[in-house]
Amino acid sequence: GAVVSQHPSWVICKSGTSVKIECRSLDFQATTMFWYRQFPKQSLMLMATSNEGSKATYEQGVEKDKFLINHASLTLSTLTVTSAHPEDSSFYICSARGAGQPQHFGDGTRLSIL
Amino acid sequence: GENVEQHPSTLSVQEGDSAVIKCTYSDSASNYFPWYKQELGKRPQLIIDIRSNVGEKKDQRIAVTLNKTAKHFSLHITETQPEDSAVYFCAASIGNYGQNFVFGPGTRLSVLP
Repeated sequence: GAVVSQHPSWVICKSGTSVKIECRSLDFQATTMFWYRQFPKQSLMLMATSNEGSKATYEQGVEKDKFLINHASLTLSTLTVTSAHPEDSSFYICSARGAGQPQHFGDGTRLSIL
Repeated sequence: GENVEQHPSTLSVQEGDSAVIKCTYSDSASNYFPWYKQELGKRPQLIIDIRSNVGEKKDQRIAVTLNKTAKHFSLHITETQPEDSAVYFCAASIGNYGQNFVFGPGTRLSVLP
């Protein structure tokens, strides 16, 4: 079946650091990738949608300059949390879909900002 | 935009009993409704989905029903087992398999042995 790999699985870093999270589709071409954020005991909230080769579409309230998304190839999208602060601590999950396919989720990245 | 509500927020059932989780959506254009199961700290896993041209779909112990007129859909799990314990999310979206999912707030299901 379709596999989405997300790396790293867990990051702990100091406030002010920038953190990059990678999302890869391993056995299919992901025309669209989605980035979600999930706070403890809450639902998944869509942050942005990215299509390969074009700029990401951000949801209302998500800062484009803080959460940089790059979808440079059909198998890789990255999310960079710039100048991360404690309030950015969360579980970040990507998902990917190819043409005519449902979304497949990565394992998520737990980000802890000290 | 789309708004998805989900009830109950927590549900405890005895092993072997049935569990039902209900969701409502607001956008009549939504036509794809997946259900995800998420265990603590892990990825959401698709367990069943339904499109708006179908009223019911079943896969072994899991079934989903959709009432497009009333804009609500439900997940039914029969003969529950302890390994069914998890958080379940419904979602609504537009498109063949969904463009952007709007997730419900989730239901924490506990199956008691």
